[in-house]
Amino acid sequence: EVELVESGGGLVQPGGSLRLSCAASGFTFSSYAMSWVRQAPGMGLEWISAVSSSGDRTYYADSVRGRFTLSRDDSKNTLFLQMSSLRVEDTAVYYCTKNGGPVATHPHHWGQGTLVTVSS
Amino acid sequence: QAVVTQEPSLTVSPGATVTLTCDSSIKPVTSGHYPYWFQQKPGQAPRTLISDISDKHPWTPARFSGSLLGGKAALTLSGAQPEDEAEYYCLLSSIPGRPVFGGGTKLTVL
Repeated sequence: EVELVESGGGLVQPGGSLRLSCAASGFTFSSYAMSWVRQAPGMGLEWISAVSSSGDRTYYADSVRGRFTLSRDDSKNTLFLQMSSLRVEDTAVYYCTKNGGPVATHPHHWGQGTLVTVSS
Repeated sequence: QAVVTQEPSLTVSPGATVTLTCDSSIKPVTSGHYPYWFQQKPGQAPRTLISDISDKHPWTPARFSGSLLGGKAALTLSGAQPEDEAEYYCLLSSIPGRPVFGGGTKLTVL
């Protein structure tokens, strides 16, 4: 059974940094592209980033490009999202997703999410 | 970037059929947009219902189906159940590598 467990969320001041992790199990991690999707309180879903199975292709939404960096460690079955220059509008629940194939950007399986709050 | 539009809210009677739609501001929705549909209930993570227009997942109830309809992606619920009350989101790749979610449709079963 696919399991995705996010961690690393918390309270951070504007301009600060945070690194999210997603521990994956139940599938061959190195064979699948992965993504992060976020949801601000009371709002809809926003796709923010994806990385191919090989790690050589990354994609970002305009809202986070240049501030967020997505990476993966296949030896640890873990996905990372390094977030810097955080803004109040980055406050959201961040979901890790397993996508439909090695270069897919669309989620098939979802984690339960981790809350990031950007506030002074 | 593309704007993806869904009905903000719909109401369906138990046992009835309802169709939700998903439109792109850039061009008619086609298979190249890789339309996906997701269901989210309050306090829960989303789950993927439909991939690539009409492919169901093992957990997708048979009463849900996906299609292309008049240049839009469509999610049809045939025989609505009370447990289908939820927010439904579509996802389109109008620009490759830049998927965009629709604003969501709040479905009420009443």
